[in-house]
Amino acid sequence: GENVEQHPSTLSVQEGDSAVIKCTYSDSASNYFPWYKQELGKGPQLIIDIRSNVGEKKDQRIAVTLNKTAKHFSLHITETQPEDSAVYFCADILTGGGNKLTFGTGTQLKVEL
Amino acid sequence: SQTIHQWPATLVQPVGSPLSLECTVEGTSNPNLYWYRQAAGRGLQLLFYSVGIGQISSEVPQNLSASRPQDRQFILSSKKLLLSDSGFYLCAWSVGVYQPQHFGDGTRLSIL
Repeated sequence: GENVEQHPSTLSVQEGDSAVIKCTYSDSASNYFPWYKQELGKGPQLIIDIRSNVGEKKDQRIAVTLNKTAKHFSLHITETQPEDSAVYFCADILTGGGNKLTFGTGTQLKVEL
Repeated sequence: SQTIHQWPATLVQPVGSPLSLECTVEGTSNPNLYWYRQAAGRGLQLLFYSVGIGQISSEVPQNLSASRPQDRQFILSSKKLLLSDSGFYLCAWSVGVYQPQHFGDGTRLSIL
């Protein structure tokens, strides 16, 4: 079955620095890649997504890049703020796999003052 | 706009007792609905999904069951809870294929 690996598992940055989280997927049929942010005690919230026909997408301080050849995609957060501290999950959906998401194992991001 | 509601937010149950968690979605029709469990340490495990009323697919064998009695209602149940059923249960919805899933705020279930 599909496997999504996510690194690092924890990430600590200084406020104002950039943070990068990377994911790799195993099945070349993956065609949709969302990123979720989960704050303590809450459900994951979609923050950005990208489809397989696009290489990069940006929304203010958040960007996602996709390299289909290498089967990896990354989340970039610039000018980090304390409220960016949370657990971040990557995920993908396979073509022909219905709408089932395969999640990465999560990255605990801590933005320090 | 669409909203998703899960309740209760927290639940403490004795081993062997029954369980019923409810999830409802508003503002959309014929959504795909999902139940996940998230153990401490983050990973999300898909338990059940449904593409329509009365249609339930189970992803993992377990002590739980799901039902969808109405288009926008999804229920997670158990007849007899086990200690291993403890966790954070999340409901989610989506519309169409290759579309994002949107999550509720979950139910924290503790089994004593």
